[in-house]
Amino acid sequence: EVQLVESGGGLVQPGRSLRLSCAASGFTFDDYAMHWVRQAPGKGLEWVSGMSWNGGRIGYADSVKGRFTISRDNAKNSLYLQMNSLRAEDTALYYCAKGYADSGSGSSDYYYMDVWGKGTTVTVSS
Amino acid sequence: QSALTQPPSASGSPGQSVTISCTGTSRDVGDYNYVSWYQQHPGKAPKLMIYEVNKRPSGVPDRFSGSKSGNTASLTVSGLQAEDEADYYCSSYAGSNNLVFGGGTKLTVL
Repeated sequence: EVQLVESGGGLVQPGRSLRLSCAASGFTFDDYAMHWVRQAPGKGLEWVSGMSWNGGRIGYADSVKGRFTISRDNAKNSLYLQMNSLRAEDTALYYCAKGYADSGSGSSDYYYMDVWGKGTTVTVSS
Repeated sequence: QSALTQPPSASGSPGQSVTISCTGTSRDVGDYNYVSWYQQHPGKAPKLMIYEVNKRPSGVPDRFSGSKSGNTASLTVSGLQAEDEADYYCSSYAGSNNLVFGGGTKLTVL
């Protein structure tokens, strides 16, 4: 079964740091791009960051650029998000998501997400 | 990286069709065919429904279809069913390895 399990969330004070992890199983992790997407309470989805299978493509939302760093360890089938200088507006449920590739069209797997975890909650508050 | 614009709500009766719009700019929706749609039921993770403007992943009913004209993409749900009631989000590639979501549309089946 294809599965993504996020961990590392919690309550943290403004200005502090937190590192999220995403453990992947059931698929060849190093074949796919991976993303972090967050959803503030009662709000919509916000793409946070993405990374291609080999790290050759990395992107960040303007709202987190310079504060968050995405990384992956293909040997451990894991994706990470290092979050520094946290703000109240970073409070959200953080999802890890796997890139989707249509092998027939040959398009990149970076643009879509077909498997999502259940998310880990980050609360930034004093 | 401004969020794509979606109507906050849409509705239709069972069996009817409903279309949800997603308006971006010439730097995202208008410039790339990398538009996707996600369905999210309350308390659940999103599900990919449409990718590359109008393609359906395996297992998604053909009642769901997508299109694009200029800077606006659309999702049409035909033959509405009770289980289609959910939040729907569009997404587009915005260049420079960035993705952007729409604000979401709550679809109500009357």
